[in-house]
Amino acid sequence: SQQGEEDPQALSIQEGENATMNCSYKTSINNLQWYRQNSGRGLVHLILIRSNEREKHSGRLRVTLDTSKKSSSLLITASRAADTASYFCAAPMNRDDKIIFGKGTRLHILP
Amino acid sequence: GAGVSQSPSNKVTEKGKDVELRCDPISGHTALYWYRQRLGQGLEFLIYFQGNSAPDKSGLPSDRFSAERTGESVSTLTIQRTQQEDSAVYLCASSLSHAGNSYNEQFFGPGTRLTVL
Repeated sequence: SQQGEEDPQALSIQEGENATMNCSYKTSINNLQWYRQNSGRGLVHLILIRSNEREKHSGRLRVTLDTSKKSSSLLITASRAADTASYFCAAPMNRDDKIIFGKGTRLHILP
Repeated sequence: GAGVSQSPSNKVTEKGKDVELRCDPISGHTALYWYRQRLGQGLEFLIYFQGNSAPDKSGLPSDRFSAERTGESVSTLTIQRTQQEDSAVYLCASSLSHAGNSYNEQFFGPGTRLTVL
């Protein structure tokens, strides 16, 4: 079963530009999380936004959440080569503790 | 160690053989997840352990797949009679999680890359 669905599937931008990735989900949630994956190995947690929050910042990351549209976006400002990775949104399934991941957005930063 | 560890890091096996993958979660983490990730694909949920509750096995793709966890410690994922389609990276994650509370990030291990010839 799929909870989060990222869009676009792949994104290439020039270094220094901003990158925006979107995530849509299906059921009511109490929080949504974004993760990054480098080189097909373990994922690293980036940020968590709660259902009563609309926007959250962490360094160059900005996450928004629209519970009415069941969508979230991740914005990376002033992108760097090191930001090249796959980005996943994850949300609990039906308020259960089980977290389900989307298929991810592959971000490539061009020099 | 402070993080989630998995072993082996790489496993090459022949079709039809059984394999066992191991995950050592962070001490004190009650929740443990197994995922499968095929090349260039997203994470496919396999199984979820939460404390002493019955595991959620809803993601296991076939009865050739099984997993065990003793208490809140080590977990093993077993694949019997492996097929070429089982080739993937198998990721384990743990979180400090209590029933009804999902406000906890998952900490991932480095994964086991399984290749079935």
